[in-house]
Amino acid sequence: AQSVTQPDIHITVSEGASLELRCNYSYGATPYLFWYVQSPGQGLQLLLKYFSGDTLVQGIKGFEAEFKRSQSSFNLRKPSVHWSDAAEYFCAVGGVGQAGTALIFGKGTTLSVSS
Amino acid sequence: NAGVMQNPRHLVRRRGQEARLRCSPMKGHSHVYWYRQLPEEGLKFMVYLQKENIIDESGMPKERFSAEFPKEGPSILRIQQVVRGDSAAYFCASSRGTGNYEQYFGPGTRLTVT
Repeated sequence: AQSVTQPDIHITVSEGASLELRCNYSYGATPYLFWYVQSPGQGLQLLLKYFSGDTLVQGIKGFEAEFKRSQSSFNLRKPSVHWSDAAEYFCAVGGVGQAGTALIFGKGTTLSVSS
Repeated sequence: NAGVMQNPRHLVRRRGQEARLRCSPMKGHSHVYWYRQLPEEGLKFMVYLQKENIIDESGMPKERFSAEFPKEGPSILRIQQVVRGDSAAYFCASSRGTGNYEQYFGPGTRLTVT
């Protein structure tokens, strides 16, 4: 069965430091992969997506992610974290469900940014 | 261009009452998805609809939950005879199509059952 694992429940990073959030997926074919960010009490905002092609994808707010098929991973990175990046981050794989269109989400990683 | 709209944002119901959650997709989007987020959990898919059709309801609880997306008006997620375990955030997402079309999420409706 398809699944998404985010191994880190909570990460704290100093402002200005680099960030990497891990995501591993289980999916039979080439997946559609997404990263979303959720601020407290808010909906989800799409940061970036991978469908095919270049395995390094650029997103909004300075985020990027790299698809590694051999490791079944899609880790999110940012070279320099800002205090406003504190939020919850969700990795998701698409193309699931009976119609092949739903998303499966990981349980999320909460990012705290220290000054 | 307005995003996905959901209302109400917060809803309080007593056990046994009905909850109706509304979702208006983004302009030009005809595909609607409902997800539920339980405390400290990721989002779980519930149902996928197109206008006047339920395409995939594999994530819907078998009883008390229903969804519709009429020809005119918003999509409705209906929960009958709510129980405390229904307390959660319910998110609606819309997309322009399927496959490599991303889903855009609304702000969610936070349902509290007392």
